Amino acid sequence: GENVEQHPSTLSVQEGDSAVIKCTYSDSASNYFPWYKQELGKGPQLIIDIRSNVGEKKDQRIAVTLNKTAKHFSLHITETQPEDSAVYFCAASMPSYDKVIFGPGTSLSVIP
Amino acid sequence: NAGVTQTPKFQVLKTGQSMTLQCAQDMNHNSMYWYRQDPGMGLRLIYYSASEGTTDKGEVPNGYNVSRLNKREFSLRLESAAPSQTSVYFCASSRRAVSRTGELFFGEGSRLTVL
Repeated sequence: GENVEQHPSTLSVQEGDSAVIKCTYSDSASNYFPWYKQELGKGPQLIIDIRSNVGEKKDQRIAVTLNKTAKHFSLHITETQPEDSAVYFCAASMPSYDKVIFGPGTSLSVIP
Repeated sequence: NAGVTQTPKFQVLKTGQSMTLQCAQDMNHNSMYWYRQDPGMGLRLIYYSASEGTTDKGEVPNGYNVSRLNKREFSLRLESAAPSQTSVYFCASSRRAVSRTGELFFGEGSRLTVL
């Protein structure tokens, strides 16, 4: 089955700096890669996603890149703000089954 | 609009006791999911229901059973709780298959402790 790895497990950045979280997946058939943000005491919420026919996608301060050959995808947050502090999960899904497999998460702290 | 509602939010059980976690969504979504979240392990899929009347095992189904009662409700049952089932449980729903870029909408979680 699909396996998703995520690094780093914790990340601290100064406010205004950029943050990068990297993920790898194991199954080359995966074609959909969402990113979820989880604030303390809440359920995860989708922030951006990318499909395998796209190499990069941006939404204001966040962007995701995908390298299908290497089976890598990354989340980039620019101009970080304290409200970006949360746990971020990458995930992967294959067209052959209706489920999403999550990475172990990255705890991001933005220091004012 | 409540979204996905889970009950209870907190529960303490003794080893061997049984309980059911309830989940309901009011978004007319077809698919529903149960995940557990443990430190350092992310979210692991326990069971899911792609549509009303169907259920399938996820990554970690042992020790759990589910019921898709109707389109709105998806319950998770622990028949004989074990300390290894201490976790935070999340229910989620999606309008269409997640494999077709269906967004997952999560509840706020149910924190279960098994002593």
